[in-house]
Amino acid sequence: EDKVVQSPLSLVVHEGDTVTLNCSYEVTNFRSLLWYKQEKKAPTFLFMLTSSGIEKKSGRLSSILDKKELFSILNITATQTGDSAIYLCAVVGWGGADGLTFGKGTHLIIQP
Amino acid sequence: DGGITQSPKYLFRKEGQNVTLSCEQNLNHDAMYWYRQDPGQGLRLIYYSQIVNDFQKGDIAEGYSVSREKKESFPLTVTSAQKNPTAFYLCASSIRGGAEAFFGQGTRLTVV
Repeated sequence: EDKVVQSPLSLVVHEGDTVTLNCSYEVTNFRSLLWYKQEKKAPTFLFMLTSSGIEKKSGRLSSILDKKELFSILNITATQTGDSAIYLCAVVGWGGADGLTFGKGTHLIIQP
Repeated sequence: DGGITQSPKYLFRKEGQNVTLSCEQNLNHDAMYWYRQDPGQGLRLIYYSQIVNDFQKGDIAEGYSVSREKKESFPLTVTSAQKNPTAFYLCASSIRGGAEAFFGQGTRLTVV
């Protein structure tokens, strides 16, 4: 059974801080790891990682995958209050007809 | 605009009643999914469908039913057999065999 564990489950920091969110996983025939941001309703896609060691970057957010150690991190630099959200990590295997397996999420709160 | 539409946004149900949540997509995706989200639990898979007229149980299918009569539509019925139906329900879709899922805005169901 596929499994995703995220840590920490919640995190409170001040605006301008840098945060690192963790995601470890177990999946049969790994295909991809995905990060989503969920503010109020629909999760929105951030990154999809397939290969080890290749950093994906979008503005202040970046993510990297380690397929040997079975984990990924999501970094957010110079945090802003608008970064407050639940960050979800999910994995899918090849032949994964049942879609994504999600972790419980990290609830990030950025204080002014 | 292409996307996934869930309705209603908020739904109240009396104990013992069945209710149906709507999910419609115009992305021409073959695969559709229903997830349930509870506080601190992440997203858990209820049902999924890869093609019309076919669907499979996910991890927490008990007390739920679905149909897939059209490619665009994947309604979820929460039956009276579901003991704890109060939750946030998210519908998603993807291309068949695709990794990235696109989400609707969700339906918040409350049992009163």
